[in-house]
Amino acid sequence: KQEVTQIPAALSVPEGENLVLNCSFTDSAIYNLQWFRQDPGKGLTSLLLIQSSQREQTSGRLNASLDKSSGRSTLYIAASQPGDSATYLCAAVRNNDMRFGAGTRLTVKP
Amino acid sequence: KAGVTQTPRYLIKTRGQQVTLSCSPISGHRSVSWYQQTPGQGLQFLFEYFSETQRNKGNFPGRFSGRQFSNSRSEMNVSTLELGDSALYLCASSPGTGTTDTQYFGPGTRLTVL
Repeated sequence: KQEVTQIPAALSVPEGENLVLNCSFTDSAIYNLQWFRQDPGKGLTSLLLIQSSQREQTSGRLNASLDKSSGRSTLYIAASQPGDSATYLCAAVRNNDMRFGAGTRLTVKP
Repeated sequence: KAGVTQTPRYLIKTRGQQVTLSCSPISGHRSVSWYQQTPGQGLQFLFEYFSETQRNKGNFPGRFSGRQFSNSRSEMNVSTLELGDSALYLCASSPGTGTTDTQYFGPGTRLTVL
């Protein structure tokens, strides 16, 4: 059974700082790895989707990497802004089954 | 294009009742997936419908069911409600399958079971 873990559970940084969120998964035979953000009381917004054959994906200030052999993915956020404050979730997909981590709650202080 | 819409946004029910939640996907999207989010269990996959057929199902009891109509709109039904069914129910649509394509989420329906 796939288990997905996100560390840390919460992170607080000053505005402008670069930061890394971590996601680990136990079964490396994944189809893809997805990153989402969730604002309080709202639905999810898809950020990046990395296929198993890819090593990374970039969108604006976001860069996600995937290392299947070690069962890890990282989400790098450059020059963080207060608007980046949200909960970030990763999800590992295998055999049409999607497993989510518990998320990292990010606070970016002005 | 309009985003994914879910109705109702908030719902209060009592134990033993049943409830139906509705999801209207983005126009042209054929896949609708449903998720349950609770503080204790986090976000869990319920099921996915693609072109009116259930494609995948998560590990939930048979009290949870769904269907998709020819216009891709989807409904989720929970019968014999339990206190533990209190949660935020999210639906997401995607052009292709939910596990391979980018998903677009609705705002969710907050269900409270008393």
